[in-house]
Amino acid sequence: GAVVSQHPSWVICKSGTSVKIECRSLDFQATTMFWYRQFPKQSLMLMATSNEGSKATYEQGVEKDKFLINHASLTLSTLTVTSAHPEDSSFYICSARGYGYTFGSGTRLTVV
Amino acid sequence: KQEVTQIPAALSVPEGENLVLNCSFTDSAIYNLQWFRQDPGKGLTSLLLIQSSQREQTSGRLNASLDKSSGRSTLYIAASQPGDSATYLCAVTQGGSEKLVFGKGTKLTVNP
Repeated sequence: GAVVSQHPSWVICKSGTSVKIECRSLDFQATTMFWYRQFPKQSLMLMATSNEGSKATYEQGVEKDKFLINHASLTLSTLTVTSAHPEDSSFYICSARGYGYTFGSGTRLTVV
Repeated sequence: KQEVTQIPAALSVPEGENLVLNCSFTDSAIYNLQWFRQDPGKGLTSLLLIQSSQREQTSGRLNASLDKSSGRSTLYIAASQPGDSATYLCAVTQGGSEKLVFGKGTKLTVNP
């Protein structure tokens, strides 16, 4: 079946640094990639939608300059959290739109 | 704005019991509804997808129903097993949008 590989699965970084999260669709072409954030005991909240070769569309309240999304190919999308702060600590997960929705395994980001 | 609510937030049952998880949504103009399973610190696995024109879907021991007019869906799990322990998420999409709107989930624990 369709697989999305997400890396890293967890990362700890210092406040003020940047972190890049990658999502790769392994056996299909992901025309659209969705990036979600999930705080403890909360719903997955959509942050942005990206289509290959075009700029991402961000949800209201999500800072596009802080959460940089690149969808340069049909199999790779990246989310970079720039100048991370402790409040950015969360579980980030991608979802690729190919045949239905295929989710990555998520990245647990802890900013100290 | 679409809101998805899941009740109960947590459920603990003995192995072998049949159980029902509930999902409600505020805007009945949905395109489809999906049930997902999320294991701790992991991604989401799609369980069942119900199109807005359908009333139910079945897969093995799982049965999901949809009453679009009342804004409700249920996930029925028959003969529960410890391996069913996970968080179950309900999500809807609106017509014309690929965005998934998630509930907060129901954390299920099946005790051996």
